[in-house]
Amino acid sequence: GENVEQHPSTLSVQEGDSAVIKCTYSDSASNYFPWYKQELGKRPQLIIDIRSNVGEKKDQRIAVTLNKTAKHFSLHITETQPEDSAVYFCAAGDTGNQFYFGTGTSLTVIP
Amino acid sequence: ETGVTQTPRHLVMGMTNKKSLKCEQHLGHNAMYWYKQSAKKPLELMFVYNFKEQTENNSVPSRFSPECPNSSHLFLHLHTLQPEDSALYLCASSQELASGRGQYFGPGTRLTVT
Repeated sequence: GENVEQHPSTLSVQEGDSAVIKCTYSDSASNYFPWYKQELGKRPQLIIDIRSNVGEKKDQRIAVTLNKTAKHFSLHITETQPEDSAVYFCAAGDTGNQFYFGTGTSLTVIP
Repeated sequence: ETGVTQTPRHLVMGMTNKKSLKCEQHLGHNAMYWYKQSAKKPLELMFVYNFKEQTENNSVPSRFSPECPNSSHLFLHLHTLQPEDSALYLCASSQELASGRGQYFGPGTRLTVT
């Protein structure tokens, strides 16, 4: 089955700096890569996703890049704000309804 | 957010009890999922239902028994649980993957087994 690895497990950045979280996957059949943000005590929420026919996608301060050859994808958050502090999960899915999640990155934005 | 709801939000049960978790989605999705979220572990997929049919059972112990009477409702029946089953149980739903949409999660049920 699919194996998704996520790094780093914790990340602290100064407000205004950028944050980058990286994930790798093992199954070349995976073609859909969502990212979720989970604030303390709340449900995971989809923040951005990318499909395998696209190399990069942006939504305001958030961007995701995908390198299919190397089987890795990354989340980039620019101009970080304290409200960006949360746990971020990457996931990889295929044409079925299976999703495999990474272990999460706890991001702290220091004011 | 009311797209995916779960009840109860908190549950404390003894190892000999029987209880059920309920999930309901109002998004018109076809697939529903149960996940277990424990501290410092990735989300663990437990069950997947697609159009009411179970498509995945990731080696989940039989003390967890899912039920999906229709595409909008999903239950997780619990009996003779162990303390290590204490966790946050999340329900999620999604359209077919071809639609390009991810999963939408419910708020979770915080389960404590004593």
